[in-house]
Amino acid sequence: AAGVIQSPRHLIKEKRETATLKCYPIPRHDTVYWYQQGPGQDPQFLISFYEKMQSDKGSIPDRFSAQQFSDYHSELNMSSLELGDSALYFCASSLVSGGSYEQYFGPGTRLTVT
Amino acid sequence: GESVGLHLPTLSVQEGDNSIINCAYSNSASDYFIWYKQESGKGPQFIIDIRSNMDKRQGQRVTVLLNKTVKHLSLQIAATQPGDSAVYFCAENRGSSASKIIFGSGTRLSIRP
Repeated sequence: AAGVIQSPRHLIKEKRETATLKCYPIPRHDTVYWYQQGPGQDPQFLISFYEKMQSDKGSIPDRFSAQQFSDYHSELNMSSLELGDSALYFCASSLVSGGSYEQYFGPGTRLTVT
Repeated sequence: GESVGLHLPTLSVQEGDNSIINCAYSNSASDYFIWYKQESGKGPQFIIDIRSNMDKRQGQRVTVLLNKTVKHLSLQIAATQPGDSAVYFCAENRGSSASKIIFGSGTRLSIRP
């Protein structure tokens, strides 16, 4: 079965640079979520989108923005990168309109800021 | 603030034994909990969920118990196998339309041969 796809899988950036992470949800899923997981930490919710509209916001820095496009894929844009932004970034998707809140996670993008 | 958390950071069990991973939560209004398994280098994987109108739910080799009185839930894994080695997170689903998951601190389960 198709799973959540994230690209790139690994990304190395320098401080103050920008980064864009992409997420392709499971086909027909209408909701996308972004999480950040620092080394040895639990995943922290950043933001979610339902039908291309922001549905919830968590601990997402102002330097980050995200959107969901008409084909339901989502992008997380990160600017003025800091060393502390180094983490695994997970995207998850679900079919909320189908009554399911089960979130399926992608393999993650490992961002390293040097 | 309100949180979801686990009692122990690590748990070591003998292969074939049952594993019990505990979790406490603080928000008495919480009504939907999920257990996730995360293997090294991978994203969290849904194991089982439970709503607050239930005390127990069973899956394949896994059982989740919810005690609302003491705000505690546990994950029981029967006949633990080497493939069960992972970090286990309890999580609460919150937000509008239950759209965000609040993860607790994980417990690393290791299996002794």
